[in-house]
Amino acid sequence: DIQMTQSPSTLSTSVGDRATISCRASQNIDQSLAWYQQKPGKAPHLLIYKASTLEDGVPSRFSGSGSGTEFTLTITGLQPDDFATYYCQQFYTFPWTFGQGTKVEIK
Amino acid sequence: VQLVESGGDLVQPGRSLRLSCEVSGFTFISYSMHWVRQAPGKGLEWVAGLSYIGGKKYYADSVQGRFTISRDSSKNTLFLQMDNLRPEDTAVYFCAREGIELIVIETAGLDYWGQGTLVSVSS
Repeated sequence: DIQMTQSPSTLSTSVGDRATISCRASQNIDQSLAWYQQKPGKAPHLLIYKASTLEDGVPSRFSGSGSGTEFTLTITGLQPDDFATYYCQQFYTFPWTFGQGTKVEIK
Repeated sequence: VQLVESGGDLVQPGRSLRLSCEVSGFTFISYSMHWVRQAPGKGLEWVAGLSYIGGKKYYADSVQGRFTISRDSSKNTLFLQMDNLRPEDTAVYFCAREGIELIVIETAGLDYWGQGTLVSVSS
């Protein structure tokens, strides 16, 4: 199975800051990667797919990059609504796997 | 688009449970569907997937041989039959639609999710 490793586990930051989350795959997954945002008690919400394609309706302050084994989610100009947990997920091959999550919290 | 799960309950280890996910707002048979779970206070775990192409089924190692994913297109409903349940299966179970990037007919992540249904396995 492909292992997905996110870092950091927790990111303490402030409104207006830039947040960067990394995701590493244990083997090549080309660009078969998605990013999700999840708030407590809610279902995850798709932000980005194919590593860098923004899902319809997602604000442009969210961006994704990378290919192969190294990926990054960047939030430029954090808004209060962005404090949440973020997950990467590979859909290159089954079984699909998620990263362990990165909690973005208010400093 | 709406996905509504049901069927979650408190059950004893070794027992069975069937989850349902009723969908609306899209052509059910044209999309692959998945189940994802989240144990209390933990991260997301993909559980099972059902491809709209040929009806292929895929499972996580942790549920292979115990869980079965299926669909009833006449009822626009996705199912997850869970047998021989274990305490470690305790989680909120979400159903989710696999998005399609239409121009290239490629996977575009899990674009719609239900609200989840809680399964608790305990004696």
